[in-house]
Amino acid sequence: GNSVTQMEGPVTLSEEAFLTINCTYTATGYPSLFWYVQYPGEGLQLLLKATKADDKGSNKGFEATYRKETTSFHLEKGSVQVSDSAVYFCALRMNTGFQKLVFGTGTRLLVSP
Amino acid sequence: DAGVTQSPTHLIKTRGQHVTLRCSPISGHKSVSWYQQVLGQGPQFIFQYYEKEERGRGNFPDRFSARQFPNYSSELNVNALLLGDSALYLCASSGGQGEETQYFGPGTRLLVL
Repeated sequence: GNSVTQMEGPVTLSEEAFLTINCTYTATGYPSLFWYVQYPGEGLQLLLKATKADDKGSNKGFEATYRKETTSFHLEKGSVQVSDSAVYFCALRMNTGFQKLVFGTGTRLLVSP
Repeated sequence: DAGVTQSPTHLIKTRGQHVTLRCSPISGHKSVSWYQQVLGQGPQFIFQYYEKEERGRGNFPDRFSARQFPNYSSELNVNALLLGDSALYLCASSGGQGEETQYFGPGTRLLVL
């Protein structure tokens, strides 16, 4: 079946450090890919998305590129802030049938001043 | 415009009881999906509804049911609660059956004692 694998956390960084959170997927076909962020005690917020190979999603300084050859969608940010501390979820959605999102287990990011 | 709203925000029940969770989608959105997020894990798909019809169902027992109303709001019902049903229940809305992005509400946190 379709699945998403994320690097385990927590990822602990100092403010202004470079961030990479790895995400790979397994899918029969060509899914759309998403990164959602969850702040403590809240629901999920869409961070960015990409719908086809080589697309780059970007938002709030975060970027991720849809790599079909490596089935990856790694999240990057050049300079993290304390306010970026949250749990980040990578997800896929097949573009046929109903709109079921398949999530990874999440990666907690902790940014210290 | 208001985002996805869910009620109640928190709920405590005992084993064997029944619970009803409610969701109002973003204005103009016709599709609602429900997800269960157990602590420390990614959300798991439960149901999707579009135009009041069930379009997809995840791997959950028949104790879980849902419906969508003419105004596109939705209810998730869980019967005969088990301790393992304790989780954050997330509702997401999207425009329709196409490749639209899902937007999540803040969730209802259910604790079963």
